[in-house]
Amino acid sequence: DTGVSQNPRHKITKRGQNVTFRCDPISEHNRLYWYRQTLGQGPEFLTYFQNEAQLEKSRLLSDRFSAERPKGSFSTLEIQRTEQGDSAMYLCASSSNRDKVWSEKLFFGSGTQLSVL
Amino acid sequence: GENVEQHPSTLSVQEGDSAVIKCTYSDSASNYFPWYKQELGKGPQLIIDIRSNVGEKKDQRIAVTLNKTAKHFSLHITETQPEDSAVYFCAALNTGFQKLVFGTGTRLLVSP
Repeated sequence: DTGVSQNPRHKITKRGQNVTFRCDPISEHNRLYWYRQTLGQGPEFLTYFQNEAQLEKSRLLSDRFSAERPKGSFSTLEIQRTEQGDSAMYLCASSSNRDKVWSEKLFFGSGTQLSVL
Repeated sequence: GENVEQHPSTLSVQEGDSAVIKCTYSDSASNYFPWYKQELGKGPQLIIDIRSNVGEKKDQRIAVTLNKTAKHFSLHITETQPEDSAVYFCAALNTGFQKLVFGTGTRLLVSP
């Protein structure tokens, strides 16, 4: 169990550019979540996957945001035409499904810090 | 939807003192309440959690209490140490949904 891995750790981009982040959950964790955290605030829910299915999306997730989890393992979060307001820490978390019992315990990665200039 | 309020926003204590952080939630259907510790440059780390069918839970120097009637829960850290310094977040979840709602955080500073 190596924990939730996120890449890159930091991303600096110019306004209008597209960026993509990757998350590798803990092995065999079926649920994967994306959260966004701005300075001085708690994480805010963006979306989550159960296996490869995206089951819920927050209203925070504008049309410029898209998340995928094509094979039910790693996930990517893409932001198109970035804006300065997108600057934040993007956190990924996963939870287990051992013995077909869902666990509420979320394990977070270290996040990707996005700065849009 | 759920709303979680957390107080205080900052807390300074001397090493060895106790620290208490309080949270209130709005949705009476919430039934799972975790606490996370976040150090600079890292993601939140789960330190303790409690379900709505339990009033108190303890793990070494950390304890959490839950009052369902008043819809508030608290984190208690005893015998604080400098390495306890971090930002602590409470959160609430209705397990019928998968959206963990966080408080705004408490920055704890433990001075030697």
